Amino acid sequence: QKEVEQNSGPLSVPEGAIASLNCTYSDRGSQSFFWYRQYSGKSPELIMFIYSNGDKEDGRFTAQLNKASQYVSLLIRDSQPSDSATYLCAVNANTGNQFYFGTGTSLTVIP
Amino acid sequence: SQTIHQWPATLVQPVGSPLSLECTVEGTSNPNLYWYRQAAGRGLQLLFYSVGIGQISSEVPQNLSASRPQDRQFILSSKKLLLSDSGFYLCAYGQTPNSPLHFGNGTRLTVT
Repeated sequence: QKEVEQNSGPLSVPEGAIASLNCTYSDRGSQSFFWYRQYSGKSPELIMFIYSNGDKEDGRFTAQLNKASQYVSLLIRDSQPSDSATYLCAVNANTGNQFYFGTGTSLTVIP
Repeated sequence: SQTIHQWPATLVQPVGSPLSLECTVEGTSNPNLYWYRQAAGRGLQLLFYSVGIGQISSEVPQNLSASRPQDRQFILSSKKLLLSDSGFYLCAYGQTPNSPLHFGNGTRLTVT
């Protein structure tokens, strides 16, 4: 049973558009939620984290969390070609120490 | 500031050979430490995590082992590598149980 599910994509959006990335998780007791960006051949880098229901904005990025639906999303506004990467959703297990990752969504921003 | 070092960057090893990958963290004390593996085109699989010296939790039974001989040192080992051990190995640390993980640059292991 997968802990974290993501649509693998690929997702293509034109430059300047909004990219919407989605993630669901199975552990209802999960407390912390993270989005990472991974360029090909590189290690993941943290984009955002969110702990509470609702929206959290940081520049062009907005994370949305709905614990009742066990759903977390990432919106990227004004998408740029440099945003082309794989986006990984991660969930911290109820125990606090284990982090589980989705398989990632590949995003391509077309100039 | 905190930094995480992981080496080597790439490694090619024959089947049946031993493995030792090392990870060290600077600028923080008593971090939670993690080893992940990412197979080609796949997600991150949690292999081991540690909340303190000598404390190792294993997520996936396999021919790999981990050790934490010092507070900020985490080692991944194998006595005999299998072809299926090929992948991108990532070490990560977290400062508290719910804080974000930060990754090292990874080791790309190819078992031939």
